[in-house]
Amino acid sequence: EAGVAQSPRYKIIEKRQSVAFWCNPISGHATLYWYQQILGQGPKLLIQFQNNGVVDDSQLPKDRFSAERLKGVDSTLKIQPAKLEDSAVYLCASSLGQDPISGANVLTFGAGSRLTVL
Amino acid sequence: QQPVQSPQAVILREGEDAVINCSSSKALYSVHWYRQKHGEAPVFLMILLKGGEQKGHEKISASFNEKKQQSSLYLTASQLSYSGTYFCGTANAGGTSYGKLTFGQGTILTVHP
Repeated sequence: EAGVAQSPRYKIIEKRQSVAFWCNPISGHATLYWYQQILGQGPKLLIQFQNNGVVDDSQLPKDRFSAERLKGVDSTLKIQPAKLEDSAVYLCASSLGQDPISGANVLTFGAGSRLTVL
Repeated sequence: QQPVQSPQAVILREGEDAVINCSSSKALYSVHWYRQKHGEAPVFLMILLKGGEQKGHEKISASFNEKKQQSSLYLTASQLSYSGTYFCGTANAGGTSYGKLTFGQGTILTVHP
């Protein structure tokens, strides 16, 4: 099966500029996640969607980050304006569901979008 | 609450064994293990559900102690391909955190010939 697609793979911007990342999950996966991975750290959840509804966005810096998942398929993550500390790899992941007991929330990650803010 | 992994880094020779631990301060329903090679996406290894079961994948196995809220990943007779950063992801159930995976800081495993 096709994997999780992300674009762009690399992006370099100046601080205070804006940037958008796109993700296309595995077909049929209802749950979509955006993680931020700063160099040397584990992935940190920014936002979790179930179909096109937000399940968890408690760690999303809402003053500058926004995300949407129109029609419950593709998703876009936007940063405006960017700060130096936003330099990271933004990982999109998808899963069949969000039931931790059945294992339905096994995540498949995309290759990531590496953002460098100068 | 982020789970804590130990050790932070391990260096092995081919054929040696290693254990990576993951501890949480919250009650867990499941623990996931992922491996990430440099510049690549994390790849799923295995999931453990509450009940203390042990799972295996080739020469990599894991256990889950629900009472201690800990999981351990065992790598036996390590191969060069095992090199990478290992992350545990923990999931709770109920409320707004349902299904949410929180990852540890990672353990860097390096296997030398």
